[in-house]
Amino acid sequence: NAGVMQNPRHLVRRRGQEARLRCSPMKGHSHVYWYRQLPEEGLKFMVYLQKENIIDESGMPKERFSAEFPKEGPSILRIQQVVRGDSAAYFCASSPRDSKNEQFFGPGTRLTVL
Amino acid sequence: QQPVQSPQAVILREGEDAVINCSSSKALYSVHWYRQKHGEAPVFLMILLKGGEQKGHDKISASFNEKKQQSSLYLTASQLSYSGTYFCGTGGYAGGTSYGKLTFGQGTILTVHP
Repeated sequence: NAGVMQNPRHLVRRRGQEARLRCSPMKGHSHVYWYRQLPEEGLKFMVYLQKENIIDESGMPKERFSAEFPKEGPSILRIQQVVRGDSAAYFCASSPRDSKNEQFFGPGTRLTVL
Repeated sequence: QQPVQSPQAVILREGEDAVINCSSSKALYSVHWYRQKHGEAPVFLMILLKGGEQKGHDKISASFNEKKQQSSLYLTASQLSYSGTYFCGTGGYAGGTSYGKLTFGQGTILTVHP
């Protein structure tokens, strides 16, 4: 049973470009969460999605960031017009239901903005 | 509100025990414990739900004191493989629904020496 998959594992972008991060949850999991981790810091919640629904986006910056989890295909975290401060590790986690169940993390995408 | 973990760092010799605490200023519904090694994804350890339960497997166990709004992670007879950063993540509950998102503490760095 494959775990949570994220790609790419490493992404380098220049300031002003767009970054697209993908996450495929574990089989049977319908809940997806995105977290951001700055170097030497903890994990910060960004957004919680179910298929075709954004449940909680209270951790998402108001501008440039968006997320979706379509009926078919992976969840996408999109960052437009990246800036140096966006450089971080972005982790996706999935669970079969809500916070009563463990969230399993993917390997992360390390974004570097030049 | 981010839960507060203590201590910030622990240094042990193989075979010694450690306790990591996680305190919240808000009512807790669930507490999730993870271990993260440098450059890797967080790995799920255990989840405790409202009800003051205690859980454990192998030499790692945890307790959840709902009244005190805190959880403790107990590591006994530590091994070299226990080294890493330990995070607690707290989940809320209100209006009959549990929150999907987790709010993580700042982490406790555990180093085990031979």
